[in-house]
Amino acid sequence: EFQLVESGGGVVQPGGSLRLSCAASGFFFKNYAMHWVRQVPGKGLEWVSVFSADDDVPYSGPSYAESAKGRFSISRDNRKNSLYLQMSRLRPEDSAIYYCVKDMYKSPSNFDFWGQGTLVTVSS
Amino acid sequence: SYVLTQPPSVSVAPGQTATIPCRGDNIGTYSVHWHRQRPGRTPELVVFDDHGRPSGIPARFSGSNSGNTATLTISRVEAGDEADYYCQLWDTDHVVLGGGTKLTVL
Repeated sequence: EFQLVESGGGVVQPGGSLRLSCAASGFFFKNYAMHWVRQVPGKGLEWVSVFSADDDVPYSGPSYAESAKGRFSISRDNRKNSLYLQMSRLRPEDSAIYYCVKDMYKSPSNFDFWGQGTLVTVSS
Repeated sequence: SYVLTQPPSVSVAPGQTATIPCRGDNIGTYSVHWHRQRPGRTPELVVFDDHGRPSGIPARFSGSNSGNTATLTISRVEAGDEADYYCQLWDTDHVVLGGGTKLTVL
């Protein structure tokens, strides 16, 4: 059974930093691209970032939404079956539930399985 | 950048067929995926690669994709199908998401 457990959310002041973590289990983590997707409660889904499975895929490495470029950094540790999102220079509009999401493939394509999410609130 | 357009809402009576369009320029050349988010729940994949169906998703859910429109079709709609539905694709180096369609079962 797939499991994705996010942690690291909380309240942070504008301009601050936060590091989200996602612990994966129940599948061969290194074989799948992994995403971060966020959602303001009551609003639509917004893709944030992805890290592909390895180098031998149509698209390799990290990719970011425009809103995240230069401020967020995604990484993964295949030995620990974990995905991370380092967020810096946070803005109030970054406040949302952040979901860790498994892709169906090695190269980014879709959102196959979702974690329960972790809430980030950026407020003074 | 690439844009996916969905109607904000679709309403259908129980037992009828719901069709939710997702429009984009030459969307037929992309692999389109559909996600359902029931009230208070996390999203889940209901159609992948235009018309694939994940295990556990009933055959009432089907997808098609051609020209400038991808479509999610839900046959014999039930009250439990009431949810927000999002289309999504991968474009070169980023994910594109539609704005979502709220399906209301009358």
